[in-house]
Amino acid sequence: GQNIDQPTEMTATEGAIVQINCTYQTSGFNGLFWYQQHAGEAPTFLSYNVLDGLEEKGRFSSFLSRSKGYSYLLLKELQMKDSASYLCAVSGGSYIPTFGRGTSLIVHP
Amino acid sequence: GAGVSQSPRYKVAKRGQDVALRCDPISGHVSLFWYQQALGQGPEFLTYFQNEAQLDKSGLPSDRFFAERPEGSVSTLKIQRTQQEDSAVYLCASSLPSGGNEQFFGPGTRLTVL
Repeated sequence: GQNIDQPTEMTATEGAIVQINCTYQTSGFNGLFWYQQHAGEAPTFLSYNVLDGLEEKGRFSSFLSRSKGYSYLLLKELQMKDSASYLCAVSGGSYIPTFGRGTSLIVHP
Repeated sequence: GAGVSQSPRYKVAKRGQDVALRCDPISGHVSLFWYQQALGQGPEFLTYFQNEAQLDKSGLPSDRFFAERPEGSVSTLKIQRTQQEDSAVYLCASSLPSGGNEQFFGPGTRLTVL
């Protein structure tokens, strides 16, 4: 089975940096995804990590440590439109992504 | 090109009714997934197709849930004798052959069972 844990809610200020953590336990590992989901909308892909280290893509970066079962999503220069739920999903031995419950990020002025 | 589409977007059913939810994946996407998402939760896996083959249906909560993809393109999720606990958003996602490929999600069908 798989277990994915991420904080339920975080708040941050516009222009700041926020780090959203995700820890996981899986049988087999074939990569970790981060998705963004605005209220009432479909999840959209942000990043994919399969090797240890940091992947940077514009204002968003994602980090993975396979030995620790740990990842984080780093959002820089926060904007109001970044207020959304951020979903961590792990692809295990079956290659089917299992999602965490999501972290609701609230960005305030 | 069009993304993943789902219909209907909203469905209200009386308890005991049967419903059918449709998913049109991105053309050429081999893999198709169905998820159930309750309010404030992440998507919960229901079932997975590769082309027309249903390779994993371990997430279907009961035998009232049935999914098919007969020609390897459009998929239908059917729920028989709906119950209130079936109320949720049903998301469909497609991707290139599963692995490190991102999933493209449809807008979902919000099912409300009264």
